[in-house]
Amino acid sequence: GENVEQHPSTLSVQEGDSAVIKCTYSDSASNYFPWYKQELGKGPQLIIDIRSNVGEKKDQRIAVTLNKTAKHFSLHITETQPEDSAVYFCAASIDFGNEKLTFGTGTRLTIIP
Amino acid sequence: SAVISQKPSRDICQRGTSLTIQCQVDSQVTMMFWYRQQPGQSLTLIATANQGSEATYESGFVIDKFPISRPNLTFSTLTVSNMSPEDSSIYLCSVRQDSEQYFGPGTRLTVT
Repeated sequence: GENVEQHPSTLSVQEGDSAVIKCTYSDSASNYFPWYKQELGKGPQLIIDIRSNVGEKKDQRIAVTLNKTAKHFSLHITETQPEDSAVYFCAASIDFGNEKLTFGTGTRLTIIP
Repeated sequence: SAVISQKPSRDICQRGTSLTIQCQVDSQVTMMFWYRQQPGQSLTLIATANQGSEATYESGFVIDKFPISRPNLTFSTLTVSNMSPEDSSIYLCSVRQDSEQYFGPGTRLTVT
């Protein structure tokens, strides 16, 4: 089955700097890659996703890039703010319409004011 | 996006008892999932609960321990049976809608 690795496990950045979280996946058939943000005491919130027919997707300060050849995808957060502090999870799915999501192990991001 | 609510939000239970967690969605969805998240860990899928069919359980999870009901397209329940301290976790309901997957706020369960 699919295996997703996520790095780093913890990340601290100065407010205003950029943060990058990377994930690799094992199954080349995976074609859907969402990112979730989980704040303390809350459920995961979908913040951005990408499908295998595109290489990059942006939404304001958040972007995701996908390298299908290398089987890795990354989350980029620019101009970080204190409210970006949370745990971020990547995930992958082979056939999202019918198959489950496989999650990474999570990255705890701390923004230092 | 789908809005998901769960009841209870948290509970403290004694070992050997059972707890039923409710999940309500504000729109009709076909695919619904139950996850477990142990403290500081990632999300582990317990089962997929599609309306009109039996729940499909992942390896390591069995129906006798985690019975699931899915009576209609907006509601599901997960029961954690004969609880032990190892069942202390956050239990999350999740749904797929419009080619995306959303999560409820979770139920924080502590077993003493």
